[in-house]
Amino acid sequence: QQPVQSPQAVILREGEDAVINCSSSKALYSVHWYRQKHGEAPIFLMILLKGGEQKGHDKISASFNEKKQQSSLYLTASQLSYSGTYFCGTDNFGNQFYFGTGTSLTVIP
Amino acid sequence: NAGVTQTPKFQVLKTGQSMTLQCAQDMNHNSMYWYRQDPGMGLRLIYYSASEGTTDKGEVPNGYNVSRLNKREFSLRLESAAPSQTSVYFCASTPQSQNYGYTFGSGTRLTVV
Repeated sequence: QQPVQSPQAVILREGEDAVINCSSSKALYSVHWYRQKHGEAPIFLMILLKGGEQKGHDKISASFNEKKQQSSLYLTASQLSYSGTYFCGTDNFGNQFYFGTGTSLTVIP
Repeated sequence: NAGVTQTPKFQVLKTGQSMTLQCAQDMNHNSMYWYRQDPGMGLRLIYYSASEGTTDKGEVPNGYNVSRLNKREFSLRLESAAPSQTSVYFCASTPQSQNYGYTFGSGTRLTVV
């Protein structure tokens, strides 16, 4: 039931774009995205609900493809502050909520 | 506004010892959760409390117990610690259910030797 994230790790130069994918084997009601910096707590970025629209937050946005049971997180014009591990979390219609294993993103100057 | 407060931040236990991790939130949230985070495994749910007075097992409940003391507080107890329980523990809360983002505490780094 744990969603699968890809890639596991990515290294970017400042200003480059990245896409992180989250895929579930079960139908999804909602998808959450979080960012965690080393030694800190995960921070909530956004939630996408079934039937909802693509969400955006500054230069970070996400989409939710209910049919494919997938979500993607888009980071455009990356900044050094975007470095961290990104987790998706999936809610399979009231069954337990599961986090993915994370994608490590490193932005270098 | 403190959000979710966890204590202690660090703890070393000997195998067989017991301890309680404390968690309190001041956001008037109904639902509270305990997760453990291990390298390469993401966050795994130990127990949760959908509302005051209720608790339910999550994905990895063995070796743990919880108490929802009141709406604000949700504690996690290790009765007889084992090295396999070495992990970082996070408490989290939401207004209710998973239709809202989680607010996490700063975590407790537990080592069992």
